Amino acid sequence: AQKITQTQPGMFVQEKEAVTLDCTYDTSDPSYGLFWYKQPSSGEMIFLIYQGSYDQQNATEGRYSLNFQKARKSANLVISASQLGDSAMYFCAMSGNQGGKLIFGQGTELSVKP
Amino acid sequence: DTAVSQTPKYLVTQMGNDKSIKCEQNLGHDTMYWYKQDSKKFLKIMFSYNNKELIINETVPNRFSPKSPDKAHLNLHINSLELGDSAVYFCASSQHSTGSNSPLHFGNGTRLTVT
Repeated sequence: AQKITQTQPGMFVQEKEAVTLDCTYDTSDPSYGLFWYKQPSSGEMIFLIYQGSYDQQNATEGRYSLNFQKARKSANLVISASQLGDSAMYFCAMSGNQGGKLIFGQGTELSVKP
Repeated sequence: DTAVSQTPKYLVTQMGNDKSIKCEQNLGHDTMYWYKQDSKKFLKIMFSYNNKELIINETVPNRFSPKSPDKAHLNLHINSLELGDSAVYFCASSQHSTGSNSPLHFGNGTRLTVT
C-alpha cells in the first residue's frame, strides 16, 4: 500500500528566507509521481510542482523546487525567498497505477513572518 | 474561465436530509474525482470516474452516490445526511486515469455542514 507522511504539522519562516517542507513516502510501485499542493485560507487547492519517479533531475517551478531523494523515499518542497502570501497549508501527494488517484499526506501549515 | 467548478460553495442542512453537489470541468479531462477533507484537513478520495465509468469507490457508505452524465460532469448525491458527513468536499479532474504524471485540478470545494 502507498503511504505519504508529512511530519511537520506547522512551520514558521521569516519573510525572504528559504524553507523546506518534509515529505516521505512508501510504495511498491516502480512508477509513481509526487506532487505538492498549496491550500491557502480561502480553501482552494493549488497545484505547485510535480516529480516523476524516473526523472533524473529535481523539478523546479519558479520559487518552488522539489528535493527528490529516491533512495531515502523523500520528496521535500523547498520554497525560496518566502513571501507573506506563501502562508498556507501545504500537502504532499503521491500517485501510482491506481486509477489516477492521489494519496495525500497530513499537511504542513506554513506561516511566513514579516 | 473556471476549469473545475462545483456548486454550491456552502451547504447547511439538517440530519436526515438529502442533498446534491454538482461539478463540471471544462479542461477536456477524462477522469473526475470526489475527495473529502475532514476537520483535520485530511484529504481522502471517495470516488473516481473515467469517461462516465466508476473506477474507484473507496468504501464510501451507500448513502453517497456519484453520477456522471458525461465525462465533463460528476455530481455527488448524499442521502440521509449524518453529522459525520460535515466536511469540505472537493471535486477534481485529471487528464488520465492511468499513469502517474497527471496532476489533479481541484474545484474550490463545497463546505457541507450538517446540523
